[in-house]
Amino acid sequence: QKEVEQDPGPLSVPEGAIVSLNCTYSNSAFQYFMWYRQYSRKGPELLMYTYSSGNTADGRFTAQVDKSSKYISLFIRDSQPSDSATYLCAMHQGAQKLVFGQGTRLTINP
Amino acid sequence: DAGVTQSPTHLIKTRGQQVTLRCSPKSGHDTVSWYQQALGQGPQFIFQYYEEEERQRGNFPDRFSGHQFPNYSSELNVNALLLGDSALYLCASGSWVINEKLFFGSGTQLSVL
Repeated sequence: QKEVEQDPGPLSVPEGAIVSLNCTYSNSAFQYFMWYRQYSRKGPELLMYTYSSGNTADGRFTAQVDKSSKYISLFIRDSQPSDSATYLCAMHQGAQKLVFGQGTRLTINP
Repeated sequence: DAGVTQSPTHLIKTRGQQVTLRCSPKSGHDTVSWYQQALGQGPQFIFQYYEEEERQRGNFPDRFSGHQFPNYSSELNVNALLLGDSALYLCASGSWVINEKLFFGSGTQLSVL
């Protein structure tokens, strides 16, 4: 069993829709949770960063962490074609070691 | 302010050869880590460098080695290349104080033929 599970998709939604992306994890020691966005042929870009349980919001993006269920989510409201990318969840496992999910490929259709 | 820069952007090697990839961290950062990302997968941690020493290592063989220089830049060396080493190699930099917040470069795409 992988430490972090993420549905690879692909996920395709119309412009303006609310997008929900999710990851589950097995290691209860994880304390920091991140979402990265990766465009084709580029490196991952840090999008959201949450410590422990709760919500973090930044513009159209909201990240939620539920440590009791070992479940994290990223919501994108009013989605735009420029949001089309692969979204990676990541969990901090000490030092600079992040454990990533497989990534979900998202397409926003105009 | 330049972000994390990596060179080269693309590289083609043959099996058995050796390769060196280079990384300059974001200004103000003092730690560098390396990740391998196979096609369709999330990045996997190779190792981290701080104060010119390897601090943590992932599940990669000794063929993978690295170095950090006094100016915080870093190199990743891979010996005896295998076909399975073909991947996007990502460098990430951060602060030793806030270790979990990493910023990635655009990567080096390595193809082993």
